[in-house]
Amino acid sequence: RKEVEQDPGPFNVPEGATVAFNCTYSNSASQSFFWYRQDCRKEPKLLMSVYSSGNEDGRFTAQLNRASQYISLLIRDSKLSDSATYLCVVKGFQKLVFGTGTRLLVSP
Amino acid sequence: DAGVIQSPRHEVTEMGQEVTLRCKPISGHDYLFWYRQTMMRGLELLIYFNNNVPIDDSGMPEDRFSAKMPNASFSTLKIQPSEPRDSAVYFCASSLTASGNTIYFGEGSWLTVV
Repeated sequence: RKEVEQDPGPFNVPEGATVAFNCTYSNSASQSFFWYRQDCRKEPKLLMSVYSSGNEDGRFTAQLNRASQYISLLIRDSKLSDSATYLCVVKGFQKLVFGTGTRLLVSP
Repeated sequence: DAGVIQSPRHEVTEMGQEVTLRCKPISGHDYLFWYRQTMMRGLELLIYFNNNVPIDDSGMPEDRFSAKMPNASFSTLKIQPSEPRDSAVYFCASSLTASGNTIYFGEGSWLTVV
């Protein structure tokens, strides 16, 4: 079983739609959680950290459920520029483990 | 500010040749990571250094792969001999601490072994 699992997608949504991605992780000792964004043929970049209490950054909301070992990312009012691959990232002891990513395509 | 700098950006080489990828981390960052990304396996951590010392190389696929960090501003990842299955994007990343929200990636080295 992979340490971090994501639905690869693609998720095809129209502009303005709300879309949610999920991610599960296997190591219950994981300490920190993040969402990274990767544009086509570019490097991954931090989108946001994920906290147990849930956190929001503009149109983006991240949630963590430690009991179920589950992380989510919600994007409201999707923009064309949101088209990218979203990587779920889990940190153990000093190491980041990346999911294979969920691809999002936002169309006009 | 200069980010993580990797070279070469693209390399096409023949099977059996030696490949050397280079990385200059962000100045002052104590951690340096080498990742490999493929469509099938996603981003995999190969090795990471803390203060120039290799801490965990459990992700290095086999003896053909080696990495060094002779000083705080330079690291290399070497593949010898290269094989077609090594074709991937190799990312170098650095961070000030081990926390994920401070890790910065280079633009990657796109390797094709034919």
